Amino acid sequence: NAGVTQTPKFRILKIGQSMTLQCTQDMNHNYMYWYRQDPGMGLKLIYYSVGAGITDKGEVPNGYNVSRSTTEDFPLRLELAAPSQTSVYFCASSGTGVGNTIYFGEGSWLTVV
Amino acid sequence: DQQVKQNSPSLSVQEGRISILNCDYTNSMFDYFLWYKKYPAEGPTFLISISSIKDKNEDGRFTVFLNKSAKHLSLHIVPSQPGDSAVYFCAASAANAGGTSYGKLTFGQGTILTVHP
Repeated sequence: NAGVTQTPKFRILKIGQSMTLQCTQDMNHNYMYWYRQDPGMGLKLIYYSVGAGITDKGEVPNGYNVSRSTTEDFPLRLELAAPSQTSVYFCASSGTGVGNTIYFGEGSWLTVV
Repeated sequence: DQQVKQNSPSLSVQEGRISILNCDYTNSMFDYFLWYKKYPAEGPTFLISISSIKDKNEDGRFTVFLNKSAKHLSLHIVPSQPGDSAVYFCAASAANAGGTSYGKLTFGQGTILTVHP
């Protein structure tokens, strides 16, 4: 049972490069999220989606873009990587409605040098 | 502006004893609270939650208490086991503020729990 799968697990980027973090879930969840966790801090919401074709900004969206063309996939794009984007990124998904468990992926470690 | 705070960075407990992890929040709109457990190099795993209409929720060894007037919640683990050693995150959402608000979680900084055999 896969759940929420993120790729790549680790990546080193140079300043100014771009990349896409992939996220896919096999639970047919409508809601998907991207969070980032900086060292010693809690997770912060970057973007979220309530269904295919619908996305919205979270608390820290600057420097990122998302798309949701299918229910299963929710890629996060980093444009013009900056050292401040060095972080661990977590994708998550849930069913709709209060009380549905929010499942997280294992994380993607990104370093921008 | 930290809306959810876990003021204890770490907690050390003996196996078999009670672990109490604390969390404070400032946003009165928060009405749903969750605890997540995280092992190194893994994603957070849901542990237990509580709605603001309750003051206690229990699941096996885990109990969450909510004190709305004090804007405080705590997680009790009894008895503690070495396998409970992990980082524990408190999270909150304004679940009933709108249909999409449920999963928009605000996290605390986490508390590292170490349970010694």
